[in-house]
Amino acid sequence: QKEVEQNSGPLSVPEGAIASLNCTYSDRGSQSFFWYRQYSGKSPELIMSIYSNGDKEDGRFTAQLNKASQYVSLLIRDSQPSDSATYLCAVSNAGGTSYGKLTFGQGTILTVHP
Amino acid sequence: DAGVTQSPTHLIKTRGQQVTLRCSPKSGHDTVSWYQQALGQGPQFIFQYYEEEERQRGNFPDRFSGHQFPNYSSELNVNALLLGDSALYLCASSWGQGNSPLHFGNGTRLTVT
Repeated sequence: QKEVEQNSGPLSVPEGAIASLNCTYSDRGSQSFFWYRQYSGKSPELIMSIYSNGDKEDGRFTAQLNKASQYVSLLIRDSQPSDSATYLCAVSNAGGTSYGKLTFGQGTILTVHP
Repeated sequence: DAGVTQSPTHLIKTRGQQVTLRCSPKSGHDTVSWYQQALGQGPQFIFQYYEEEERQRGNFPDRFSGHQFPNYSSELNVNALLLGDSALYLCASSWGQGNSPLHFGNGTRLTVT
C-alpha cells in the first residue's frame, strides 16, 4: 500500500464546475496536510495547508480533512481553464522525527475544458 | 523577496559521472530539503538540512549526498550516475523544524545518458 494515494486521473471538468480531488494516507501519525499545484514543466506551488479536522476555505479552494478516515480532499469551485494542472497531495509527520519530510502522492491531473 | 533559486536549470551527464546541484533558500528560511521527481510521479524526499547538518534522509543510496553552508544555501551531490537518476531535482526551503509549508524552487532537470 502506498503511503499517500491519489487517483491519477485525468479528471476532466467543464469550466465553472466544481472539481473534487481526493487523497488517502496510511500513517495515522500524520499531522500536516498540503495541496500543491504543479503546472507542466514547473515546480510545485503550495495552494492549501490544513492541520485539523474539518474544512478550510481560501477563495475558490476548500480543503477537507478527516483524520479518522485518513482522508483529505480539495474542492475547486468555479473551475477555470487556468486550473488545469497536476494536483499533489502531501502529508507530513512533523510531530515525530520527520520534520519537514513530505510524502507526496503521485498527483491527479486536472483538465478544465471551456 | 527572492524565492528559492536553483542552478543549473538543465544538465546532461553521462553514466558514471558526478553532478552537483545548488540551491539558495527563500529569504528568511533556514531549512533546505531536496526531492527527486521522476516523470509522472510525485516528488520523493531525498534529505533535509538544518543548521548545516543532515536531519532526515529518505530511501536513497549513499551516492546521494549533500551539504548546507552557513548562509543556508545547499548543494546536492550525486556520484556514479545511473540512467535512473534522470529526473527533476527540486529544492524546497522552510523555516525551522516544525511543519511550516515548503516553498519549492524551479528545479534542475538532470538527464543521464
